[in-house]
Amino acid sequence: DAKTTQPPSMDCAEGRAANLPCNHSTISGNEYVYWYRQIHSQGPQYIIHGLKNNETNEMASLIITEDRKSSTLILPHATLRDTAVYYCIVNLGGANNLFFGTGTRLTVIP
Amino acid sequence: SQTIHQWPATLVQPVGSPLSLECTVEGTSNPNLYWYRQAAGRGLQLLFYSVGIGQISSEVPQNLSASRPQDRQFILSSKKLLLSDSGFYLCAWSEGAGLNQPQHFGDGTRLSIL
Repeated sequence: DAKTTQPPSMDCAEGRAANLPCNHSTISGNEYVYWYRQIHSQGPQYIIHGLKNNETNEMASLIITEDRKSSTLILPHATLRDTAVYYCIVNLGGANNLFFGTGTRLTVIP
Repeated sequence: SQTIHQWPATLVQPVGSPLSLECTVEGTSNPNLYWYRQAAGRGLQLLFYSVGIGQISSEVPQNLSASRPQDRQFILSSKKLLLSDSGFYLCAWSEGAGLNQPQHFGDGTRLSIL
């Protein structure tokens, strides 16, 4: 079972920052938080991951709370092409098994 | 740079027919490879993973099998397809099995069983 909780849907105005929350209150000390997104009929796209420090790359920023029980994915300037389902995943290790839940459906509005 | 290819993109097969889906990764050596299935409106289910040639681990008992004949090739097969095998099949790769290694997915194969 997925160890994360996300809101089922969110809207964001084009050009504004999209902030997608995720709760992972049972995360273990060595588990990473991963974010993927999936546009309809395509494979999931890796966005970013982190352990305990905030991370930033060309796509997004990841803010992880100090207690690591929640995180926020930030898309700084949302575009229409960012409309997708966003998945927050806690890596359970071993075979690097990724449990995808139902995610957050982000709709960017013109 | 690394790339992953899956084919075919879509497939329609009758019940009881065989299946072979292929996945190829380029630009990396000895990747971990994965097969997932995504049913409509649901999350991904890990089916098989491989840490090397000829090494296959099955996560869910089912009508499917997997093989890795070459380092960069991962094949999903079935001898007789069931209606319940319909779904979106995704192949993925990662560099090793460490917790700090993201998986990267192909574009998937949409399989419909009639």
